[in-house]
Formats: sequence, structure tokens, C-alpha cells
Amino acid sequence: DAGVTQSPTHLIKTRGQHVTLRCSPISGHKSVSWYQQVLGQGPQFIFQYYEKEERGRGNFPDRFSARQFPNYSSELNVNALLLGDSALYLCASSTASGATTGELFFGEGSRLTVL
Amino acid sequence: AQSVTQPDIHITVSEGASLELRCNYSYGATPYLFWYVQSPGQGLQLLLKYFSGDTLVQGIKGFEAEFKRSQSSFNLRKPSVHWSDAAEYFCAVGAPRAGNMLTFGGGTRLMVKP
Repeated sequence: DAGVTQSPTHLIKTRGQHVTLRCSPISGHKSVSWYQQVLGQGPQFIFQYYEKEERGRGNFPDRFSARQFPNYSSELNVNALLLGDSALYLCASSTASGATTGELFFGEGSRLTVL
Repeated sequence: AQSVTQPDIHITVSEGASLELRCNYSYGATPYLFWYVQSPGQGLQLLLKYFSGDTLVQGIKGFEAEFKRSQSSFNLRKPSVHWSDAAEYFCAVGAPRAGNMLTFGGGTRLMVKP
């Protein structure tokens, strides 16, 4: 069975540009979460989606947005990129809704570099 | 607000030696606790988790962790380290009804000497 897949794996953008990152969860998982991992730090929660609805949001500016599609895949969008947005963006899927904390299965991430 | 502290940024142990990675958390009630491992270029893999019950938790790859409420700690241990255990280890805390919103510590990078 395929694990969590993310695309692209690496990308380079310049300040002010927009980026879209994509994630396909494990088959049967209805929940997708996004985390930002800045180099040398632990992952930081950005969003959780379950059944296409936002179930949680971390302390990130409105430049960050996400959505989940009927097939449970997800996109993370970041507008007006700043140098500080350079990070590894991790997607995780699980069977958990917003009401429970289940095991997270992480993808290998999308490494974004902002110049 | 919950928080996690991993006091050791780097740890080096010899292959075959025992290992203990420290994790301290801050949370107002009984938390959900996790240890994840991240190898270079890889995503995070769950080693073990504590929700309730027995405070000594067994995980994959021979790892175990002990929840100590009085010390707000959840330290990870392994009796004999293998070279393949070299990786970054993250402790995380979650809360009931908080879904997949985990708070991670800063990580401990483990190096294994031959």
C-alpha cells in the first residue's frame, strides 16, 4: 500500500510569489494535517482537515490556507512568500477526526526554499 | 498552552550502549504523548505513544518510554543501540479532542559511534 505522498519534493521560489503543495493520504484515511518544520526545529502544526472541513488551525498568518478534496487529498497554499517560509512542509494522514488523537502517518515532505 | 522540551540537542553513544532521551512536557491535564523518529530525507515515523494506563510503553524497534506524571516527563529508552538508530528523535504532546494538533519538541539528534 502506498504511504502518504507529497509533491513537489523540492522547490525554489522568490519572495512575494505563491506556492501550492499537494498531499495524497493513505487510502482509507479521511484526515490530513499539515506541519511546517524549519531547519533545526521540530514540526509546527498548521492545519487539520477532516472530511473536507477545517478541524484545527495553528498559529500561522492568513497567507497560509489549505483545502481538502472529495478524494481526501489536500493542498496547502502560501501567498506572498517570505524568506522565513523556507522550511520542510510535512503532510500527515490519519483516521482520526477532530475529536480524537490518532496515529499520524507522515509523508517525506516538500522542501521549500524562498530566495 | 502545551509545550515540550527536549534538553539534549545532540547525543552520541557507542553501538551496543544503552540510550535515554529526555522529554519534559507542560500540559494542564493528562496528555497524549508520542515519540517520533526522523531519518535524513524521510518523514516522521511513530515509535510509540501513551494515552492512558500502564506508564511503561513499548514501541517499535526495541524502544520503550516511561510516563512520569510527577516529573512531567516521558523519556525514551533503548537497552542496546544499533548503528541504524542514528536519526533525529522528536517528543510530542497532544490533547484529548485536539485531533491531530501535536506540539513537538525541538528534537534530539542521535549519533552512534562504531
